Amino acid sequence: GQNIDQPTEMTATEGAIVQINCTYQTSGFNGLFWYQQHAGEAPTFLSYNVLDGLEEKGRFSSFLSRSKGYSYLLLKELQMKDSASYLCAVVNSNYQLIWGAGTKLIIKP
Amino acid sequence: IAGITQAPTSQILAAGRRMTLRCTQDMRHNAMYWYRQDLGLGLRLIHYSNTAGTTGKGEVPDGYSVSRANTDDFPLTLASAVPSQTSVYFCASSLSGSADTQYFGPGTRLTVL
Repeated sequence: GQNIDQPTEMTATEGAIVQINCTYQTSGFNGLFWYQQHAGEAPTFLSYNVLDGLEEKGRFSSFLSRSKGYSYLLLKELQMKDSASYLCAVVNSNYQLIWGAGTKLIIKP
Repeated sequence: IAGITQAPTSQILAAGRRMTLRCTQDMRHNAMYWYRQDLGLGLRLIHYSNTAGTTGKGEVPDGYSVSRANTDDFPLTLASAVPSQTSVYFCASSLSGSADTQYFGPGTRLTVL
């Protein structure tokens, strides 16, 4: 079967750094997406990794290790507006996205 | 403003009724998708279309049908709604049906009683 695992919930402090992990087992691999979803809203695109390594985009970075079936999203200088769910999704061999259940990130002042 | 629109925003429906959720995009994307999102579960693909005139089944297609008569519109129909179809439904589109970024509509919250 195909499986994406991420922690259900994480808590962090404003101004700090948090790392959200994602492990996957899918039929084939054609890339990995991270999306942000605020409560009651649609998911919005954050990052895409298809090669191993770190992709940096402002306060957000995403890392991929294909051999380990592992990715993480790193959020720096946390702000209250970063309180949201973060969704990991893998593109499988059929070019369909397989989604994790999401990690709810709670930011405390 | 370019993007994806969905209608209605929310709906309460009696079991057994027929319902069509509408989705329209103006980005000239070739591929469109319908997902459902339930608490504690990841987004699950219901149906997709890689180009106008073609459709395919996703992970959870039973009880749903779609059509893609043109590039912009991708309606989702529940022929005879059941309570297990209570969910939030998101429509999305991407430039092509490969690994392109998917852009999501605002969602429709559907309750079947």
